[in-house]
Amino acid sequence: QQPVQSPQAVILREGEDAVINCSSSKALYSVHWYRQKHGEAPVFLMILLKGGEQKGHEKISASFNEKKQQSSLYLTASQLSYSGTYFCGTPSMAGWTGNQFYFGTGTSLTVIP
Amino acid sequence: KAGVTQTPRYLIKTRGQQVTLSCSPISGHRSVSWYQQTPGQGLQFLFEYFSETQRNKGNFPGRFSGRQFSNSRSEMNVSTLELGDSALYLCASSLRTSGVTGELFFGEGSRLTVL
Repeated sequence: QQPVQSPQAVILREGEDAVINCSSSKALYSVHWYRQKHGEAPVFLMILLKGGEQKGHEKISASFNEKKQQSSLYLTASQLSYSGTYFCGTPSMAGWTGNQFYFGTGTSLTVIP
Repeated sequence: KAGVTQTPRYLIKTRGQQVTLSCSPISGHRSVSWYQQTPGQGLQFLFEYFSETQRNKGNFPGRFSGRQFSNSRSEMNVSTLELGDSALYLCASSLRTSGVTGELFFGEGSRLTVL
């Protein structure tokens, strides 16, 4: 039930855009995105609750296609500070009464000058 | 506001030993969950505690156990350590009771190396 993320790794130059995809074989109740910098704790970026919902965070936004059981994270005009590993997470059925998540294996994003 | 605190940050054990990891959640958060992070498997859910009760458990052997105290602090224990238990163990707390709508606040983790 672990979501599949693509690509596994991407290298960008400052100012370039990137898209990270997250897809699931199971129904998605919501999609959460986190970023983890090397040696640090994962940090919450955003949550998408409804199909088709798009959220934004600075120049990072995301979409959620409930029908296709997919979510995409968009990073525009990337900055050096965007470097890190991005994870999508989806709550299990038990997520309605708890905080049990399935996380994707992550996408390593490196922004270079 | 203090974040999630995990101790110890690093530890080295040998096969067969046991280990206890500690997690102090953000004040007011009653939900504490544990994840194992490895390069190959990513973040894998271990278990979650809420008000001292285990609510959910992941697909890990019984050697992995945990508990939560009345002040919401949590510990996890791994007995009879195996080489494959080497990982970063992350604790996360949440204010919300439902993962569908709630965000997780992670600690920096305890890095366990089993020799």
